[in-house]
Parts: sequence; structure tokens; C-alpha cells
Amino acid sequence: DADVTQTPRNRITKTGKRIMLECSQTKGHDRMYWYRQDPGLGLRLIYYSFDVKDINKGEISDGYSVSRQAQAKFSLSLESAIPNQTALYFCATSGSDRKPTGELFFGEGSRLTVL
Amino acid sequence: AQKVTQAQTEISVVEKEDVTLDCVYETRDTTYYLFWYKQPPSGELVFLIRRNSFDEQNEISGRYSWNFQKSTSSFNFTITASQVVDSAVYFCALSEAGSGNTGKLIFGQGTTLQVKP
Repeated sequence: DADVTQTPRNRITKTGKRIMLECSQTKGHDRMYWYRQDPGLGLRLIYYSFDVKDINKGEISDGYSVSRQAQAKFSLSLESAIPNQTALYFCATSGSDRKPTGELFFGEGSRLTVL
Repeated sequence: AQKVTQAQTEISVVEKEDVTLDCVYETRDTTYYLFWYKQPPSGELVFLIRRNSFDEQNEISGRYSWNFQKSTSSFNFTITASQVVDSAVYFCALSEAGSGNTGKLIFGQGTTLQVKP
């Protein structure tokens, strides 16, 4: 089984619908991240969390919200999906070393299409 | 501000050719890490290498090699004798490791490599 699991892997939805992407990890890491990938833009950070009580906005947080339900779970929500949120979404984790090295462990991605 | 630029959007080579993927970065930190990830057609991200800013030694791993030059803020990736299985999108990324850092990765735009048989 994968250390970082994302569900669903693929989702097609309609404009205005609420969507939740879920991420769970078995690596015991404190830090979790949500990234979005668009062709030609690379990956961009949406939100990140250092622990259950610490959630921070990333580069492109507008239109998204997150919930850190437990150390191992970090969910991304689109309250009212719009077509330009069509993208590949990645969850990632990293260890909480005193001097983190930035090495991230990625899930397999969730492909979201908003019609 | 931190930035990673991969100027080559797409590269197409014939199998067995050597190919170099360019990566240029910007950062004010003196301590940072550079990464390369591979994304095959299946979509997952595969970690290839991490290099810290104090280690400018080039690295070779099989057909892969990396050239890190702080003087030009570049971290280029060369595939020798390319194979069809090397076809993928390759991302260069930067993480600043100074005090208060968040461990966030800043990614380049990606370079799509197509290796034709």
C-alpha cells in the first residue's frame, strides 16, 4: 500500500458542486501539503499544515479550504467548483525535522474535472 | 523571491541520444535544497535527486547525471543514451532551508521529454 493515499483518484463534477479530496498518510509525518498541477505551470502550493492546529495558505488558496482531521489526514475542499479548478491535485508529506530539507513524499494524485 | 525556471517546455530526441534539461533558480537564502522529480505518463511524481547548496559536486547515477553550479544558479540534468522509458515530464524544484523555513517546494514549469524509438 502507498504511504500517501489520495481519494478519489479521478472525479468529474459540475460547476457549483462541493468537492472534497482526501489524503491520508502512514509515514507518521507532521507536515502535509496540497499542490495543484496545471500544464505549463508546474506544481503550485494551495495549503499546508504543520500539525492539526496549524494550517497555512499557500500560493493559490482562493476557492479552496482544508481540514486537518488528524495527524494522518488532510482534506482539500472546493466549496463551489468552477471549471478553472480542473487540474491534477497532489497531497504530500514531509518529516518534522528541526531543519527540514524540503523532501516531500507525494500521493499518486487526484485528477479533477469540473464541467 | 524564490523562483525556478525551466525554459525548455518540450524536448524531443531519438533513442540513444544524450539530452540535458536545464534548470535555473533564484533565491536569497544561502542554505537551500534543489530537487529533480520525474512524472511519467501514469502521473505519479518520482523523486530523482536532492542536492544541498553547500555541495557542488556533480552526481552520477547510472545514465543520469546532475551539474550544480552556484555561480550560474543552475542545476541541470543530463540523461545519457536516452531510452523510450525516459519519456516523462521532469520538474526541478527549490526548497529554502534557512531558519523559519516551511519545507515548501517551489517548482519549475516542467520540461516534457519525448524519446522516440
